[in-house]
Amino acid sequence: NAGVTQTPKFRVLKTGQSMTLLCAQDMNHEYMYWYRQDPGMGLRLIHYSVGEGTTAKGEVPDGYNVSRLKKQNFLLGLESAAPSQTSVYFCASSYIRPDTQYFGPGTRLTVL
Amino acid sequence: SQELEQSPQSLIVQEGKNLTINCTSSKTLYGLYWYKQKYGEGLIFLMMLQKGGEEKSHEKITAKLDEKKQQSSLHITASQPSHAGIYLCGADARGGNTPLVFGKGTRLSVIA
Repeated sequence: NAGVTQTPKFRVLKTGQSMTLLCAQDMNHEYMYWYRQDPGMGLRLIHYSVGEGTTAKGEVPDGYNVSRLKKQNFLLGLESAAPSQTSVYFCASSYIRPDTQYFGPGTRLTVL
Repeated sequence: SQELEQSPQSLIVQEGKNLTINCTSSKTLYGLYWYKQKYGEGLIFLMMLQKGGEEKSHEKITAKLDEKKQQSSLHITASQPSHAGIYLCGADARGGNTPLVFGKGTRLSVIA
């Protein structure tokens, strides 16, 4: 089992560019989450999904969109990147709620 | 909404010394999760506590849950350089499909 994987690991964008972060899990988990981690702010939930075809807003959803077309994949999109979106993004999944969440290795995004 | 406060925010200890990290919730704790994050990496699940008074140990790390105080503590005995990293607590916020709420983390450094 690969667990939770994230693609890419690093990315540099210019302001206004768009990109999609991919999260994949092979544990047949129902729940998937996207967080951002910033110094002094801890982990903040962006969006999450409670099952295939569903998404919900978290604490900081503005500027991001998500899709869960397949159970194993959860995509995070930035339509028009801003410097404030420079962060480390983590994806996580869990079988049920509440339950142990398994995290991916993170994507370090810099927006210039 | 539930908030988790971790103390201390950072900690520097000498190798071999014991230490304790606290996680205090603003609301009743229904489940408490401890994670460790090595610098630049994803979060690794350590332990989950669900019942008041529950105590779990993994190698030299022990976690306890005090429901009355709405608090959990993480104790490391005879710290080693491998214990260095960021420790985060996460709590079951209860209600619907709400994901875990995380504290901002405690940064631990272990020096020789």
